Amino acid sequence: SQQGEEDPQALSIQEGENATMNCSYKTSINNLQWYRQNSGRGLVHLILIRSNEREKHSGRLRVTLDTSKKSSSLLITASRAADTASYFCATDSPNDYKLSFGAGTTVTVRA
Amino acid sequence: EAGVTQFPSHSVIEKGQTVTLRCDPISGHDNLYWYRRVMGKEIKFLLHFVKESKQDESGMPNNRFLAERTGGTYSTLKVQPAELEDSGVYFCASSILAGGQQFFGPGTRLTVL
Repeated sequence: SQQGEEDPQALSIQEGENATMNCSYKTSINNLQWYRQNSGRGLVHLILIRSNEREKHSGRLRVTLDTSKKSSSLLITASRAADTASYFCATDSPNDYKLSFGAGTTVTVRA
Repeated sequence: EAGVTQFPSHSVIEKGQTVTLRCDPISGHDNLYWYRRVMGKEIKFLLHFVKESKQDESGMPNNRFLAERTGGTYSTLKVQPAELEDSGVYFCASSILAGGQQFFGPGTRLTVL
């Protein structure tokens, strides 16, 4: 069964608005990472948050991690058309370095 | 610095044929991983190399799949014989440290007819 599950599955917003998506996971993690995939292209690493961290920022991205709830959120502020993509969370566990991905959230930013 | 590269970008083959996918990791990255995404499902782990050794191949679906990393540099993933359900996108990733940030390649889209 998948480790990470994103919510919502799809999100459509107006340019300039904020987009928030959530990820839940089942087992203890070492790190949680967010990736973006533009249509037909590879996975681009966005941000990594360690299990002992609670919040991290990178440009217009803000990631939070709540290990008690086994959940993470990704916030994209002031969205742009170029943010249109699928977003995936991925976790790895202590001493198990493979990434477990969720099904992803498809974000569409309307101009 | 060159990123992870994969070849080919797209492969179309018939059921029963053989296909070999190649991944060149970032130079100096000892850890190399293969993942795949089939038919809109989640991206799933296939295996993990540390240098030339298979560290974890728990995700390999069956013995039609063979991965190698001779010399600890590039890796190949061979599917023989290919089946319809093997269609999907095959991603390769590399990292300096196991458990560190994994850098993904653009993927190879495999279509089995």
